[in-house]
Amino acid sequence: DSGVTQTPKHLITATGQRVTLRCSPRSGDLSVYWYQQSLDQGLQFLIQYYNGEERAKGNILERFSAQQFPDLHSELNLSSLELGDSALYFCASSGGQGYGYTFGSGTRLTVV
Amino acid sequence: KNQVEQSPQSLIILEGKNCTLQCNYTVSPFSNLRWYKQDTGRGPVSLTIMTFSENTKSNGRYTATLDADTKQSSLHITASQLSDSASYICVVSKAAGNKLTFGGGTRVLVKP
Repeated sequence: DSGVTQTPKHLITATGQRVTLRCSPRSGDLSVYWYQQSLDQGLQFLIQYYNGEERAKGNILERFSAQQFPDLHSELNLSSLELGDSALYFCASSGGQGYGYTFGSGTRLTVV
Repeated sequence: KNQVEQSPQSLIILEGKNCTLQCNYTVSPFSNLRWYKQDTGRGPVSLTIMTFSENTKSNGRYTATLDADTKQSSLHITASQLSDSASYICVVSKAAGNKLTFGGGTRVLVKP
């Protein structure tokens, strides 16, 4: 157990729907990062939050949004889902500069 | 442009043999370099992390080296086991802002 908890582990939904993925960071970590990994592809950075505020944005679609709550857990909202959104979505948390960057076990999203 | 290039893309080795994976980067200013192991469908797990002043670090049968002058790193796997079959990802952190740049990974398959 890495200390970063992601739920649900698996999600199957239809095109056009909206889903919410949840991430609880390691205790004490203020930063949360979201990544998308399509089949046999590398990790694509989506967005970072630090202590409730958006810190950095990567290749995140406008149909996707995220937020970090006062208790530091984060949610990634994916709407108007398309078949191509099927992927593994990872969350990672970090306490600060460099060290302690830890990934969760991911949510596998399948859009049918 | 900040980049991390890994080679080879994939590798097949026989159980018990050694192998070496390469990572070249152009990320600047450099903060640290990490190697992660990612089993299929699972979250990446940290193997080693090295700062500018460290040129080698071991974690069991995994040994990472870093040459910050030439901006090269390698990950050596000794006496490979079937469980070493995974993708190995090199990740470089930029000194300012803790921005991570991911390599595309090397997929290792260990055969009996």
